[in-house]
Amino acid sequence: DIVMTQSPDSLAVSLGERATINCKSSQSVLYSSNNKNYLAWYQQKPGQPPKLLIYGASIRESGVPDRFSGSGSGTDFTLSISSLQAEDVAVYYCQQYCSTPYTFGQGTKLEIK
Amino acid sequence: QLQLQESGPGLVKPSETLSLTCTVSGGSISSGSYYWAWIRQPPGKRLEWIGNVNYSGRTYYNPSLRSRFTISKDTSENQFSLKLSSVTASDTAVYYCAGVYYDSGGYCHGMDVWGQGTTVTVSS
Repeated sequence: DIVMTQSPDSLAVSLGERATINCKSSQSVLYSSNNKNYLAWYQQKPGQPPKLLIYGASIRESGVPDRFSGSGSGTDFTLSISSLQAEDVAVYYCQQYCSTPYTFGQGTKLEIK
Repeated sequence: QLQLQESGPGLVKPSETLSLTCTVSGGSISSGSYYWAWIRQPPGKRLEWIGNVNYSGRTYYNPSLRSRFTISKDTSENQFSLKLSSVTASDTAVYYCAGVYYDSGGYCHGMDVWGQGTTVTVSS
């Protein structure tokens, strides 16, 4: 199985500041046949299901604010929130869907400083 | 707008079989654009993919979870289901159903629609 490891486990950022979450996969999730990364980011607020934010490592899902951005390729990825808003408090997960079993990172809890 | 809703018992006794259903509304379960997935989240642990069923009924399972899971779909009811046999306390979790979207080029976008989740507790 591909192991997904996020860092840090928790993060406190001031409102309006930048938040950065990292995700590393134990194997590349770049699919050679189409040169696409099979890496997604999800946001989960308390009592709610995860919400897809980013797929293909850097493609924002429709309706997701442009302060959210994803970058990286192969085994190293980053989710950035350019200007933290109060409603961004949540747990964030990365997920690889390059090969089954699909696997998730352990989650990063984002709070307001 | 596609919506998913899980249903099933909240409490199951050890060694029994858990049955959950996900009802799809706002779209067809036979859509070629979606694979239908089950995911669970044990208390304090990460999300865990259980398996998928596609539009033709083909299933894919997480081999790490052994063979206790069975996923199926009912086209007439626009539902898909999860059965877990011989449950133990370690199967206590929030169970989610989700849709895995594939665009017209066959590229997977990930799980873009989720049910609200149903909490399952295994206890005598």
